[in-house]
Amino acid sequence: NAGVMQNPRHLVRRRGQEARLRCSPMKGHSHVYWYRQLPEEGLKFMVYLQKENIIDESGMPKERFSAEFPKEGPSILRIQQVVRGDSAAYFCASSPAVFQETQYFGPGTRLLVL
Amino acid sequence: KQEVTQIPAALSVPEGENLVLNCSFTDSAIYNLQWFRQDPGKGLTSLLLIQSSQREQTSGRLNASLDKSSGRSTLYIAASQPGDSATYLCAVRTSGGSNYKLTFGKGTLLTVNP
Repeated sequence: NAGVMQNPRHLVRRRGQEARLRCSPMKGHSHVYWYRQLPEEGLKFMVYLQKENIIDESGMPKERFSAEFPKEGPSILRIQQVVRGDSAAYFCASSPAVFQETQYFGPGTRLLVL
Repeated sequence: KQEVTQIPAALSVPEGENLVLNCSFTDSAIYNLQWFRQDPGKGLTSLLLIQSSQREQTSGRLNASLDKSSGRSTLYIAASQPGDSATYLCAVRTSGGSNYKLTFGKGTLLTVNP
């Protein structure tokens, strides 16, 4: 059973461009969580999604950020008009059920905004 | 609002030494507490998970304890090895409607010198 997959692993964007981060959960997992790790900071919750539904996006900036988890395909975290402050590691986690004890984390996408 | 603090921020020890990493949290109403390991450029690996009703968990050379009333957890590593060098993260799931969220500390960077 493959683990949580994220791509790309590294992404470089110039200010004003768009960044699309993809997350494929573990097989059988229908719950996806995105976390952001800013330099010298702990991981912070961004958004929790189930298939075709955003359950909680309270940790996501109101502007420029959006997330989706379509019926088919990976979950996408989209950042429009990136700024240098968006440079961070973005981690995706998945679980088979919300009360599953453990969220399984992917390797992360390191975003660098020039 | 739950806050998680880890002390020390960095620790350097000689190989073979026993060591303790500390984690404290402000809201004692937790669902569980988890210790992760993060290697540079990699994702998070779950080490130990302690339910709120438990006092400790053990896996090999690792032992994690939980004192919910005082808001503290410790991770004890016995007979440390250079391969243990990594960042160790403590994360809690707070009881309540948003108990799917993990709140992380900033981590302890451990270096074990041969």
